[in-house]
Amino acid sequence: GAVVSQHPSRVICKSGTSVKIECRSLDFQATTMFWYRQFPKQSLMLMATSNEGSKATYEQGVEKDKFLINHASLTLSTLTVTSAHPEDSSFYICSARPTGTGGYGYTFGSGTRLTVV
Amino acid sequence: QQQVKQSPQSLIVQKGGISIINCAYENTAFDYFPWYQQFPGKGPALLIAIRPDVSEKKEGRFTISFNKSAKQFSLHIMDSQPGDSATYFCAASMGGNKLVFGAGTILRVKS
Repeated sequence: GAVVSQHPSRVICKSGTSVKIECRSLDFQATTMFWYRQFPKQSLMLMATSNEGSKATYEQGVEKDKFLINHASLTLSTLTVTSAHPEDSSFYICSARPTGTGGYGYTFGSGTRLTVV
Repeated sequence: QQQVKQSPQSLIVQKGGISIINCAYENTAFDYFPWYQQFPGKGPALLIAIRPDVSEKKEGRFTISFNKSAKQFSLHIMDSQPGDSATYFCAASMGGNKLVFGAGTILRVKS
């Protein structure tokens, strides 16, 4: 089946530094990938939709200059949290949708736990 | 109109019992309704999904019931097991675009 690899699974960074999270579709091509944020005991909140070769579409209220998304190939999207602060600590999850399948097979990565100290 | 309302927030079921989680939506343009299972510290995993042209879909112990006129759909877990203890999310999307998630249900199956 479709597999999405997300790396790293956990990261601790100092306040003011930047962190990059990678999301790879291992056995399929994904024109579209999605980035979510999840707080403890809450649902997934969509941050942005990234399309290969074009600018990401950010949801209302998400700072595009803080959360940089790059989708440079059909198998890789990255989320960079710039100038991280403790309030950015959260669980970040990516999702990829296979190209050419009618677009309904969303597969999620295993998530990245970001802790900013 | 983009919301998906999920209930209950939490559920405790005895081993071997039936777990039932309900969701309701407003947007009639939604055409894909998946259910996800999430364990702590992991990403959601697709359990089962349905399209609005079908009223019921069963896969193993998991069944989705879909009521188009009421704009509701539910997940039934038959013969619930302790290993089913997790958080369950319903979701909806239209045209293969972004998923809209329900608030989640924490299921605990007591052995």
